[in-house]
Amino acid sequence: EVQLVESGGGLVQPGGSLRLSCAASGFTFSSYWMSWVRQAPGKGLEWVANIKQDGSEKYYVDSVKGRFTISRDNAKNSLYLQMNSLRAEDTAVYYCARAFTYYDFWSGYYYFDYWGQGTLVTVSS
Amino acid sequence: QSVLTQPPSVSGAPGQRVTISCTGSSSNIGAGYDVHWYQQLPGTAPKLLIYGNSNRPSGVPDRFSGSKSGTSASLAITGLQAEDEADYYCQSYDSSLSGSSVFGTGTKVTVL
Repeated sequence: EVQLVESGGGLVQPGGSLRLSCAASGFTFSSYWMSWVRQAPGKGLEWVANIKQDGSEKYYVDSVKGRFTISRDNAKNSLYLQMNSLRAEDTAVYYCARAFTYYDFWSGYYYFDYWGQGTLVTVSS
Repeated sequence: QSVLTQPPSVSGAPGQRVTISCTGSSSNIGAGYDVHWYQQLPGTAPKLLIYGNSNRPSGVPDRFSGSKSGTSASLAITGLQAEDEADYYCQSYDSSLSGSSVFGTGTKVTVL
């Protein structure tokens, strides 16, 4: 059974940092692109970042570029999101998701087939 | 940066058919990229409902169906049931946003 379990959320002051983790199990983690998706309270879903199987390619939504870093450790079956210079607008539930690729990723042929339960990040003074 | 537009809400009585539209542009749906749909029940994580425009993952009832035409896509729910009350999101790829995914604005389905 595929499982994705996020951790690391919490309350942080504006300008602070936080590192989210996602523990994966039930599938060959190193074979999949992985992603972070967030959802602000009462709002819709927003894609945040993607990372290739070997970590060699990473993509980010414009609003987090230069502040967030996605990474992975295939030996530990883990995905991470390092969040720096946090802002109030980063307050959201952050979901880890597996990006299932059919045909090829760069032509947009992927979707999020498994999601974690999410971890809440609150940026407030 | 939602570039896919959905109606904020739709409603229907049990047993009825409802449809949710997802309108994009020439850099996403109109460019031929596939559309996927997710269901988010209250207080839970999103769940994949439709992939590749019209395919249902194993376990998803055939009451749910998807289609795509031009710069838009649609999700239809036939034989609406109380447990279908949830938020629904479309998702696609956008070539103008450097390798990124885009989600729709989301639609709340209410069963009357």
